[in-house]
Amino acid sequence: EPEVTQTPSHQVTQMGQEVILRCVPISNHLYFYWYRQILGQKVEFLVSFYNNEISEKSEIFDDQFSVERPDGSNFTLKIRSTKLEDSAMYFCASSEGQQDTQYFGPGTRLTVL
Amino acid sequence: QKEVEQDPGPLSVPEGAIVSLNCTYSNSAFQYFMWYRQYSRKGPELLMYTYSSGNKEDGRFTAQVDKSSKYISLFIRDSQPSDSATYLCVPMDSSYKLIFGSGTRLLVRP
Repeated sequence: EPEVTQTPSHQVTQMGQEVILRCVPISNHLYFYWYRQILGQKVEFLVSFYNNEISEKSEIFDDQFSVERPDGSNFTLKIRSTKLEDSAMYFCASSEGQQDTQYFGPGTRLTVL
Repeated sequence: QKEVEQDPGPLSVPEGAIVSLNCTYSNSAFQYFMWYRQYSRKGPELLMYTYSSGNKEDGRFTAQVDKSSKYISLFIRDSQPSDSATYLCVPMDSSYKLIFGSGTRLLVRP
């Protein structure tokens, strides 16, 4: 069964460093998303992406964040200058259509020291 | 008022019990409703997807949506220890993003 994959599973970085989190969505899906979950809190929407453009972004997704689909299979989230409060699980999701089920990857745990 | 509210639990039941998980939401514009299951430190996994009011059954799982009272339920029959997880009530908003509740933690005792 096709699934969303994410790498790395765990990333440790120093405050102020740039990180790139990578995702491979399900191959025939057209809509891509990033969500995050701070430990002990609920999952929060960050950004949605379609047709090589951001469709919507939340207040969390400020100028420090960017997304890209560099080729036909990868979807990346870049944090330019990490802060302590960026420490969280980051989940990538994809869906075939806009109203369709969003399938989540296993997540990348980001720890900012 | 929170957009999605769930009792955090934990809800502890013996194996074989019928489990009832509930959720309320505030935005009457929500049309699509999902239940996701999340095991510790894993990604959310879709269990049920319903549109508008009504019931939907899939194996041991039944989802109910009552839009008039903004109340959503998930029933699990013949619960198993492997059902122990956090259950997330997740409406989709008008821009198709998922609005997660904080989840209810379920423990099924062997």
